Amino acid sequence: NAGVTQTPKFQVLKTGQSMTLQCAQDMNHEYMSWYRQDPGMGLRLIHYSVGAGITDQGEVPNGYNVSRSTTEDFPLRLLSAAPSQTSVYFCASTLDRNTEAFFGQGTRLTVV
Amino acid sequence: AQSVTQLGSHVSVSEGALVLLRCNYSSSVPPYLFWYVQYPNQGLQLLLKYTSAATLVKGINGFEAEFKKSETSFHLTKPSAHMSDAAEYFCAVSFQTGANNLFFGTGTRLTVIP
Repeated sequence: NAGVTQTPKFQVLKTGQSMTLQCAQDMNHEYMSWYRQDPGMGLRLIHYSVGAGITDQGEVPNGYNVSRSTTEDFPLRLLSAAPSQTSVYFCASTLDRNTEAFFGQGTRLTVV
Repeated sequence: AQSVTQLGSHVSVSEGALVLLRCNYSSSVPPYLFWYVQYPNQGLQLLLKYTSAATLVKGINGFEAEFKKSETSFHLTKPSAHMSDAAEYFCAVSFQTGANNLFFGTGTRLTVIP
C-alpha cells in the first residue's frame, strides 16, 4: 500500500541550481497536485493535473514547471532555485473532487 | 472569490476539555469541506469530510464537524481532548464545479495541556 510517494525527503540546493521533486501514486487517480507549505500560510497550490497530458497553474506557479506523461507520475521541477523557494512541498492525488486527497510525506527543501 | 479562514493560529486546551477549532469559508458555488490533521514531520491525514450529505459529519479519533450553510462555517469539535490530539489542523474546501483543487486555511496548532 504505497499510496503517494515523494522523493527525496530532504534536499539542500544552492541558489540557481535546478532539480526535480518526484511524486508517484499507485491508486490510479486522475487528479494530482503540488502544494507548498510555509509557516502561517497553510498549503498553497503550485500546479495541478487532471489527467495525463493535462496540467494547469495554481496559486503560486512562478519558478516551477510540471509535466504529466503518465497517470502515476507528476514531477515538479525547480528551474533556478531561489531562497524564496525554501519550503516543504507536498504532492497529493485525488480520485475525484468529493473524495479525499491523499498526501505524500513531503519534501523539505532548503535553498541557500 | 473562494477562501477559507481559520480563526486562531494556536489553540490550547486541557486534557479532557472540549476542542473547538473554527473554520469559515466563502464560496459562490456549493462546497465540499474537509478537515486534515498533520503530525510533526508528516503529511496530511484526512479527519473528516462534508460532501453535501448529512450536515453533521463524524470523523476519525472522535472528531466531528457541522456544516452550517447560513453561517458558512464548518467548525471541528471533539468532546474530550487527548494528549495525542496535539497537532496542526487544516480546514480545506473544494468546489462542485471546476478543477478538483483544494484551498486550505492557514492552519491551527492545537496544544493539549496535561
